[in-house]
Amino acid sequence: GAGVSQSPRYKVAKRGQDVALRCDPISGHVSLFWYQQALGQGPEFLTYFQNEAQLDKSGLPSDRFFAERPEGSVSTLKIQRTQQEDSAVYLCASGDGGGNQPQHFGDGTRLSIL
Amino acid sequence: EDQVTQSPEALRLQEGESSSLNCSYTVSGLRGLFWYRQDPGKGPEFLFTLYSAGEEKEKERLKATLTKKESFLHITAPKPEDSATYLCAVQDAAGRRALTFGSGTRLQVQP
Repeated sequence: GAGVSQSPRYKVAKRGQDVALRCDPISGHVSLFWYQQALGQGPEFLTYFQNEAQLDKSGLPSDRFFAERPEGSVSTLKIQRTQQEDSAVYLCASGDGGGNQPQHFGDGTRLSIL
Repeated sequence: EDQVTQSPEALRLQEGESSSLNCSYTVSGLRGLFWYRQDPGKGPEFLFTLYSAGEEKEKERLKATLTKKESFLHITAPKPEDSATYLCAVQDAAGRRALTFGSGTRLQVQP
């Protein structure tokens, strides 16, 4: 597709379950970012990949959050032992690798933890 | 630490009533300032990048400007379809690729 694709669009899980969120970036984009967006707030940075290398994971809130991009294309954000405060929209963005080039966002996965 | 503050939080305009949204920022060195539009249930849609003070960019009814401390998004003669949340974000020059976002301005344009 032409844009960033995220799946699933909605995910409901019980507290304590593990979840996995998928991101398909724009074809050819080497940079990939994950952000977390709470209701009524702007997105907050979680982690950044350049190809398959995770260059910045300073925004991951705890060691329950793990991201990977093993082949430099599709990325997965995994949250283990989910807690209610993990409920948010998780946005993925990709870029063509230029330092100050815009990031293009997908429509996100809305995660609800019961 | 980079900080971005947007005002007002919400703005209601009549169709055709021009206005401006403000984005104040604090950053050690600015690599770029980005404006995005976000519709409900959608991801942010890229509008503009500004790189240096004095720069301006236009797209249809929108014009973005940049100073050393703030950016404005001017909306001229808005239409109802301009209703959305407008997000401002900065990228610092320290090498981090992460964007720091403000909380956005929710714009409603009434016919």
